[in-house]
Amino acid sequence: DVKVTQSSRYLVKRTGEKVFLECVQDMDHENMFWYRQDPGLGLRLIYFSYDVKMKEKGDIPEGYSVSREKKERFSLILESASTNQTSMYLCASSLGVKETQYFGPGTRLLVL
Amino acid sequence: DAKTTQPNSMESNEEEPVHLPCNHSTISGTDYIHWYRQLPSQGPEYVIHGLTSNVNNRMASLAIAEDRKSSTLILHRATLRDAAVYYCILRDLVQGAQKLVFGQGTRLTINP
Repeated sequence: DVKVTQSSRYLVKRTGEKVFLECVQDMDHENMFWYRQDPGLGLRLIYFSYDVKMKEKGDIPEGYSVSREKKERFSLILESASTNQTSMYLCASSLGVKETQYFGPGTRLLVL
Repeated sequence: DAKTTQPNSMESNEEEPVHLPCNHSTISGTDYIHWYRQLPSQGPEYVIHGLTSNVNNRMASLAIAEDRKSSTLILHRATLRDAAVYYCILRDLVQGAQKLVFGQGTRLTINP
């Protein structure tokens, strides 16, 4: 079975802090994704990566950056956390860009 | 993106079959029908997908109408662990849809 893990289930940070969210997959998948999920807004794509050191902006990249130094690991960085970045963050991976996406358990981030 | 319409909520009893409907009247010829589910405090989980023919896997069955304007996810014998929000989404895999777009989904309650 595909396993996607995220570094934290719950995180509380203060406004202005730099926040790192880490995602690791163990299935040698080429593609990795970061989404955020908010009530009433559904799932929104922040960034995705189709290869090591490659990244593409999704629909809402502002305020975020990403890093993919190794194939299995995709990090989401909030350069200066703000309260409107309080959300559930979901990482996913897939073998190919058209293949099924497998999700991690999510990180619920609260920015105070 | 072609839209899907699902009932906000449904209720069923344990060990009974559950039929979750989805309407997608504007579906295009290259749209695949995907179903994901999300258990409380978990990331989304892939359930099944299909194009034209009915599909079965260990989790569920997918029945697709002949005109493809609607589909039904069938859980053959619901358990309490099937209580989740179920999302029906369309993905144009020919055009290479990288992102998943979730609507509001159907919240399924299973009564013991």
